[in-house]
Amino acid sequence: DAGITQSPRHKVTETGTPVTLRCHQTENHRYMYWYRQDPGHGLRLIHYSYGVKDTDKGEVSDGYSVSRSKTEDFLLTLESATSSQTSVYFCAIRKDRVMNTEAFFGQGTRLTVV
Amino acid sequence: QKEVEQNSGPLSVPEGAIASLNCTYSDRGSQSFFWYRQYSGKSPELIMFIYSNGDKEDGRFTAQLNKASQYVSLLIRDSQPSDSATYLCAASNYGGATNKLIFGTGTLLAVQP
Repeated sequence: DAGITQSPRHKVTETGTPVTLRCHQTENHRYMYWYRQDPGHGLRLIHYSYGVKDTDKGEVSDGYSVSRSKTEDFLLTLESATSSQTSVYFCAIRKDRVMNTEAFFGQGTRLTVV
Repeated sequence: QKEVEQNSGPLSVPEGAIASLNCTYSDRGSQSFFWYRQYSGKSPELIMFIYSNGDKEDGRFTAQLNKASQYVSLLIRDSQPSDSATYLCAASNYGGATNKLIFGTGTLLAVQP
């Protein structure tokens, strides 16, 4: 257990509503990532953070925003959820930039947009 | 074109055989590479990482890296039914202050008893 907690674990929401997913870590790691996983697409990077208030876009950032106001929390917001955002969302953390540093994953959040 | 590409499979091998999983990457700035295993409904977990050209062995697993060909592979010797899972290849680029980690689509491995 790398001290990562994702919340909620499951959520059903309606199209057009805002949704925020939370990733909380207790390890004080610098790097945090949000991925979505869909059949046939593997893990796709949405946004990532390399420090407090330092974030950057990934492969599939449209329709998503993130915030990191403190080291331990990385929030992913869907401003207006669409059915195409139905997916399993994984948060990952990584300690530093050393080349052999692995990423540890949270348990995932299953989001359904109806 | 995805930055990291894998054959989605399924790759079916008999128990006790060698399973060979392949991955190619397009970003020549990628410096380290990771193999993760993911069981259905679970989170990915790291098997091995490699960042130098050549082979790296850990138990039944061998990772191979060829930077000139932009190719990474994972060999699983003496495959067991418990190895049946999706194997994800990931590449990391350490340019600047960022630390992007990009995954391929994964290869589904099925080990037949």
